[in-house]
Amino acid sequence: SQQGEEDPQALSIQEGENATMNCSYKTSINNLQWYRQNSGRGLVHLILIRSNEREKHSGRLRVTLDTSKKSSSLLITASRAADTASYFCATAPSGAGSYQLTFGKGTKLSVIP
Amino acid sequence: DAGVIQSPRHEVTEMGQEVTLRCKPISGHNSLFWYRQTMMRGLELLIYFNNNVPIDDSGMPEDRFSAKMPNASFSTLKIQPSEPRDSAVYFCASSLLAERGEQFFGPGTRLTVL
Repeated sequence: SQQGEEDPQALSIQEGENATMNCSYKTSINNLQWYRQNSGRGLVHLILIRSNEREKHSGRLRVTLDTSKKSSSLLITASRAADTASYFCATAPSGAGSYQLTFGKGTKLSVIP
Repeated sequence: DAGVIQSPRHEVTEMGQEVTLRCKPISGHNSLFWYRQTMMRGLELLIYFNNNVPIDDSGMPEDRFSAKMPNASFSTLKIQPSEPRDSAVYFCASSLLAERGEQFFGPGTRLTVL
């Protein structure tokens, strides 16, 4: 079953603008991860946020987690054409089986030069 | 490190044929995952190995699918016989700490079954 659901499904912005993607999930999690996938390539891990964390930064990326709302957001600041890709959130459940990442269907981001 | 290596990158076969996909995980990683990605269903976990032992194969769709990991540096996913609905991109991923850790994905094998 699909755990993480990204929103929007597609996003088109101008280079230099910020991009925000959201993820909602349904069950208790141990952590939530964001991945990027360029067309025709494998997924690349971007950032992991644990259930007891509320915000995390990595370079131009900022991730927030609200466990009470079961939602997360990924903010990419000062976007570049090279950021064009699909972005997926993946949840690791709490308890046994936390190896089992469940991926959403992704947000397709297009950054126009 | 070369990252996760998968072969072949593309495979086109006819219905009924046997297909074998190969994966070499990152050296030192003790966990290996096989995923399938389609437009309709997104990314689905097929099977998870830990220390070469299959731990969870609940995602394997049918008996036509089988996976092995004979040693820490090699795994195969076999489909026999293949069907058109098996057409998808198959990814292998490895992890140092499967429980709660990040996964490193290979480039994938795009399988087309005619």
